Amino acid sequence: DIQLTQSPSSLSASVGDRVTITCRASQSISSYLNWYQQKPGKAPKLLIYAASNLQSGVPSRFSGSGYGTDFTLTISSLQPEDFATYYCQQSYSTPATFGQGTRLEI
Amino acid sequence: QVQLQESGPGLVKPSGTLSLTCAVSGGSISSSNWWSWVRQSPGKGLEWIGEISHSGSTIYNPSLKSRLTISEDKSKNKFSLKLISVTAADTAVYYCTRVLIGTFDPWGQGTLVTVSS
Repeated sequence: DIQLTQSPSSLSASVGDRVTITCRASQSISSYLNWYQQKPGKAPKLLIYAASNLQSGVPSRFSGSGYGTDFTLTISSLQPEDFATYYCQQSYSTPATFGQGTRLEI
Repeated sequence: QVQLQESGPGLVKPSGTLSLTCAVSGGSISSSNWWSWVRQSPGKGLEWIGEISHSGSTIYNPSLKSRLTISEDKSKNKFSLKLISVTAADTAVYYCTRVLIGTFDPWGQGTLVTVSS
């Protein structure tokens, strides 16, 4: 199975900050990397697909980049509603796997 | 827009069978998509369980394959999960979701299943 390691595991930030979360794969996964946001008691929500493509309806302050084994999710200017847990997921090979999550808190 | 809703018992006894159903609305499971189950537990995070295609083909997580069956009921626009011989390690929130170009979107609200006597 492909392992995804996110860093940091948790992050404290303030409204207006620029934040970057990293996801590293245990082997090359090309651009087959997706990002999700999860708020407490809710299901994950797709933010970014294929490493850098913004899902419809997702604010443009979210962006993704990377290829191969190293990927980043960037939030350009944190808003109050962005405080949540973020997960990366690879769709390169079966079984699909997820990172352990990055909790973004105030 | 497609919406999904999980249903099933919230409590299952150890060694018993966990059975859940996902009702799909706003779209047909017979369309050219795959439909998946994902679970989330505090100890293991998000774990892909398996998925079923519009034609009934299935792919399972090897870690669960020997205990798992995913099936569909086109007449009711639903798909289902059956996991046998459950233990406390199967306690989790179970989500159903559509698979779209390798992404999981959208998701159901999730249902908590606790394995306990």
